[in-house]
Amino acid sequence: SQTIHQWPATLVQPVGSPLSLECTVEGTSNPNLYWYRQAAGRGLQLLFYSVGIGQISSEVPQNLSASRPQDRQFILSSKKLLLSDSGFYLCAWQGGGYGYTFGSGTRLTVV
Amino acid sequence: SQQGEEDPQALSIQEGENATMNCSYKTSINNLQWYRQNSGRGLVHLILIRSNEREKHSGRLRVTLDTSKKSSSLLITASRAADTASYFCATLWNNDMRFGAGTRLTVKP
Repeated sequence: SQTIHQWPATLVQPVGSPLSLECTVEGTSNPNLYWYRQAAGRGLQLLFYSVGIGQISSEVPQNLSASRPQDRQFILSSKKLLLSDSGFYLCAWQGGGYGYTFGSGTRLTVV
Repeated sequence: SQQGEEDPQALSIQEGENATMNCSYKTSINNLQWYRQNSGRGLVHLILIRSNEREKHSGRLRVTLDTSKKSSSLLITASRAADTASYFCATLWNNDMRFGAGTRLTVKP
């Protein structure tokens, strides 16, 4: 069966520090992968999506970037975090015409 | 940017009552999906309705879709305290899925 792993679960980082969040999928090949951010009490904002290795589409201009070095690995990064980057980050994959499967999320607090 | 708009933003009902949440969207869709999110957790897929479908059932869930009005509704029948969560609609167009801001449902025991 397909599973999605996302880590870490929580992260507290100082302003200006780098960021790396990792997401991996098991049990499927060539998945569409997504990074979303959710502000407190709000809906999800699409940040990046990828339909294949090295293929990244960005939805919002910002100091975040994404990479897909392997078929089932999707990484969200930043060189220098801002306070406004705080939020709940969710990785998801789309499979087989059904709904998306989400990771358990990373709660990022930038202090 | 967000696509769907859920209504109401918050809903509080007694256990056993039905809960109805609505979603409106703006663009074309392949399908519309409803998700549930418990506080601080990831989203869980509940049900998907394709653009050529008008109604779908899954257990205590009933979803309707009116593409002419660009709207959908989610009905949870005989609600339980465990149904307390936030519910989001999401529209899919090609590879692009957009979420609404969600409805916060509280079911009181």
